[in-house]
This record gives sequence, C-alpha cells and structure tokens, in this order.
Amino acid sequence: DTGVSQDPRHKITKRGQNVTFRCDPISEHNRLYWYRQTLGQGPEFLTYFQNEAQLEKSRLLSDRFSAERPKGSFSTLEIQRTEQGDSAMYLCASSLVDFGDRANTEAFFGQGTRLTVV
Amino acid sequence: KQEVTQIPAALSVPEGENLVLNCSFTDSAIYNLQWFRQDPGKGLTSLLLIQSSQREQTSGRLNASLDKSSGRSTLYIAASQPGDSATYLCAVRQFRGGSEKLVFGKGTKLTVNP
Repeated sequence: DTGVSQDPRHKITKRGQNVTFRCDPISEHNRLYWYRQTLGQGPEFLTYFQNEAQLEKSRLLSDRFSAERPKGSFSTLEIQRTEQGDSAMYLCASSLVDFGDRANTEAFFGQGTRLTVV
Repeated sequence: KQEVTQIPAALSVPEGENLVLNCSFTDSAIYNLQWFRQDPGKGLTSLLLIQSSQREQTSGRLNASLDKSSGRSTLYIAASQPGDSATYLCAVRQFRGGSEKLVFGKGTKLTVNP
C-alpha cells in the first residue's frame, strides 16, 4: 500500500490519559498535514510540516497538543491530559509540493484515527 | 479569513439522476480547489483537483468547474448510482499571508436511492 497510513485506526482512552497517533505519508512527499473532524463537520486544520519544519499551527492546537515530524518522514500527534471534547477523527494528509507549480499540489488523506475519550 | 460553504447540506436523489453539488469560497487567493469523497467513518478520497487557472476538470462521470472570480465551484455527477452515496467535501488551498493550508466546507451528504 503506497497511500497515507495512520495508526491506530481506533483509540479509546480515559479522560486525563495521554495518547499518540502516527502518520506515515506517501514516500517522498515533503508536506504533511494534520486535521481534526467531528461528526457532521468538515475537517479543521491543526498543523502542517514542510519536511521536518512545522510551518503553521492552528489556534485549535492548544498546549496539550504537540506534533513532530523528525527527519521529515513520519509524523506523530500527541494529546496530553485528554478531554471528552478531544473525541474526534484525526486525519493526516500528505502532498508533494513543487514550488514552481504549487497549483498542481494535490493532498492525499489517510483513513484517520478515531479517538474516543470516555 | 477564508470560509468555504457547501450547499445543499444533504441531497437525496433516485438512481440515474444527474446532480450538481455547490461550493463557494470567500477569498479568491487560492492555488487550487479539490473535491473529496468521504464514506462513513473513513478518510477522504481525492476525486478531482482544479488549478486556479483552470475552468473545469473531468473524471469519468464527474465534472468539476471553477469560477475563481466569483468564488464558486460545482461538482456535476452524471447518471448517479447507489455507490455514489457518500459525503462530498470541497477544499481550497489558499495562499493568503503565507499560509498554504486546505480550508474545507462542511460537505454535502448525498444519498442515491435504488
């Protein structure tokens, strides 16, 4: 499978616990995005990386959230001290950005990680 | 701030009907627009990408148009089938203020009845 891979697919955790999600982008894609989606809503932007550099973070990304992309390959999203309001689908996407042809940049999404905080 | 709106929120049609889904956006400073399909509990599947300089793109029974100046895009589905039932999302890749994030609408939930 050469698509975007996310692990785990489902996570149930107790309130106050820490959780970590992993995203493996399409090989050689230089840009990686994290989004959050709640029921009936469109995906909301959380953060994105260009290679290993985190270029933008949403105000949704509180100090309990942290994302990394060491070595510009896979990425992790950690949520500390989870709250019930964190229950959502967490989506990862990757793109190959050609800086001379940005209009042709297509985003490919993984299957998501469904987080339930009880 | 870029805002993307999709109308209608839900649509139910009989099999075989042609249909149009609408997407509008408030800021024309975009690189491109993408249409996605999302099945329940699943991730997003890219259907079509239209670059900001293009007017339309076609893939099989799908045709997407873009009018950047008016901030509108449509997704036309011909001869709809029950397998087309899903939520359809549009997203714009903006370039305002150095940000290149994708901004999504809330989607149109399509049901095609056999």
